[in-house]
Amino acid sequence: KAGVTQTPRYLIKTRGQQVTLSCSPISGHRSVSWYQQTPGQGLQFLFEYFSETQRNKGNFPGRFSGRQFSNSRSEMNVSTLELGDSALYLCASTLGDTEAFFGQGTRLTVV
Amino acid sequence: GIQVEQSPPDLILQEGANSTLRCNFSDSVNNLQWFHQNPWGQLINLFYIPSGTKQNGRLSATTVATERYSLLYISSSQTTDSGVYFCAVYYGNNRLAFGKGNQVVVIP
Repeated sequence: KAGVTQTPRYLIKTRGQQVTLSCSPISGHRSVSWYQQTPGQGLQFLFEYFSETQRNKGNFPGRFSGRQFSNSRSEMNVSTLELGDSALYLCASTLGDTEAFFGQGTRLTVV
Repeated sequence: GIQVEQSPPDLILQEGANSTLRCNFSDSVNNLQWFHQNPWGQLINLFYIPSGTKQNGRLSATTVATERYSLLYISSSQTTDSGVYFCAVYYGNNRLAFGKGNQVVVIP
């Protein structure tokens, strides 16, 4: 059974650009959530999608957005990148409200 | 929001030693997970444990939800146990709040 797949694994962007990250959940899982990990703030919840609907949103500016498609794949977008957006972005897949499984993450560097 | 505190933040162990990591949380939660973050950043599931005790090889975990804490035990530690251990609690629809982690170093 395939795990959670995040693409790309690494990304370098320039300040002011925008970026799109992708997450394919475990087959059959309908919930996808996103987290940002930085050395200073640790792991922080960004948002969660279930059946194409955003159910929860963390305390991040509107530059961070996401969506979920009918096949449960999810994308998150960050517009007008800032240096502080450099982080490891992790996606989690859940079958209903149960155990979460994480992907390998996308490491974003903003220069 | 809910607060999750892990202790100790840093731990150095001699190979073969036992250790206990603690996770305290500030409010009632739906569930709790322990993870080990590998050197490449992926969070590896260790335990999904709302209450009670579970064991998996040399690792075991206990959650006492009524007292708002969980413990992760590492027995006969090995160098491969090194890394960061995270406790995360559920407090909404698949919404996890993480502690800052326990950095464990096992020396041969």
